[in-house]
Amino acid sequence: AQSVTQLDSHVSVSEGTPVLLRCNYSSSYSPSLFWYVQHPNKGLQLLLKYTSAATLVKGINGFEAEFKKSETSFHLTKPSAHMSDAAEYFCVVGHSGTYKYIFGTGTRLKVLA
Amino acid sequence: DTGVSQNPRHKITKRGQNVTFRCDPISEHNRLYWYRQTLGQGPEFLTYFQNEAQLEKSRLLSDRFSAERPKGSFSTLEIQRTEQGDSAMYLCASSAPGNTEAFFGQGTRLTVV
Repeated sequence: AQSVTQLDSHVSVSEGTPVLLRCNYSSSYSPSLFWYVQHPNKGLQLLLKYTSAATLVKGINGFEAEFKKSETSFHLTKPSAHMSDAAEYFCVVGHSGTYKYIFGTGTRLKVLA
Repeated sequence: DTGVSQNPRHKITKRGQNVTFRCDPISEHNRLYWYRQTLGQGPEFLTYFQNEAQLEKSRLLSDRFSAERPKGSFSTLEIQRTEQGDSAMYLCASSAPGNTEAFFGQGTRLTVV
């Protein structure tokens, strides 16, 4: 069975400081992993995806994530937060056969001026 | 390519009424998914189509829920005899053959009063 755990339900950072959103996964085989962002009243937008290529994945808007198999982690980082990054972030594991997604419970990122 | 389109965006209905939502996937995407997202939670998988065949249904999908995808194009999700617990955001996503990445619509927000 597959599962995803987002370790923080809320994260607050000051504008210009680094962002770290933590995600651990469980999968019996090599997973596909994703980070999606959801702004209020907007659809889910893909930030980045890992599909067994490079372990350090770069995404849009300066976000990146590192796949660490030994730690079963896929944490999302950004060197410098911007006010526009305030949103809900979801870590997702994809099922290899049906490609259905299993979502984490989300982390709400707040960026302080 | 206008992305995944969902209609209506909002629906308010009285308990006990039937509702139907529509999803138009990105053209040539053979896989289509329905998810449900309640307040403060990540989306949960409901059902999945490959072309016109419904291949998997979550146990979250009670007998009051039915989904169709005639001709493998648009899909409808019907909820019969709505209950207050059905109030949620219903999300549709589609993906292309051989691609793990899913594209999401903006969702239909259902409120049962």
